[in-house]
Amino acid sequence: AQKITQTQPGMFVQEKEAVTLDCTYDTSDPSYGLFWYKQPSSGEMIFLIYQGSYDQQNATEGRYSLNFQKARKSANLVISASQLGDSAMYFCAMREGGNTDKLIFGTGTRLQVFP
Amino acid sequence: GAGVSQSPRYKVAKRGQDVALRCDPISGHVSLFWYQQALGQGPEFLTYFQNEAQLDKSGLPSDRFFAERPEGSVSTLKIQRTQQEDSAVYLCASSFLGNSYNEQFFGPGTRLTVL
Repeated sequence: AQKITQTQPGMFVQEKEAVTLDCTYDTSDPSYGLFWYKQPSSGEMIFLIYQGSYDQQNATEGRYSLNFQKARKSANLVISASQLGDSAMYFCAMREGGNTDKLIFGTGTRLQVFP
Repeated sequence: GAGVSQSPRYKVAKRGQDVALRCDPISGHVSLFWYQQALGQGPEFLTYFQNEAQLDKSGLPSDRFFAERPEGSVSTLKIQRTQQEDSAVYLCASSFLGNSYNEQFFGPGTRLTVL
């Protein structure tokens, strides 16, 4: 079963508008972490934001915020005031508890910001 | 400040050749990960080291794949008798145990093409 599901293969947004990228996850582990990474065409994965399963508040980092709905097992990324440089692939990932920190990634969403 | 570096950035191999991919993690990072990213997909976990110990190799697709980190810093991923299905980008990531969420810092990847 897919542990991380990103249902939007591609999204378009106009510059300066906000956009939400969807992510749902599946785990029976009570301790887990959720990550969002950005991958521009250069290929490098850039860390954006993290949400721990026990965190009481939604994570925010500058223009990025995470809409964490634990009961629905969703961790959507919200990008406010989109910029042309935000055009990239965006990956949601999960780390479960245990003795490995490996990340399980979704299939990604390609975001294109237009002027 | 130096990030994670990988070499070579691009590698073309004939089917059946052996290849070796190198990863230099961020200095002081205890954990090191290898991921495989096929075209249009999210990264998939291959293996994980904590210092020189390989704690998880559950993601290695076959016994043709071998990874080592003999001195707990530089790591090499070796693929023997390469096949066309091995064509992918191989990403290395490192993290420092001790922060609250062990963010993984990724290198630029090695794009392997098997002809």
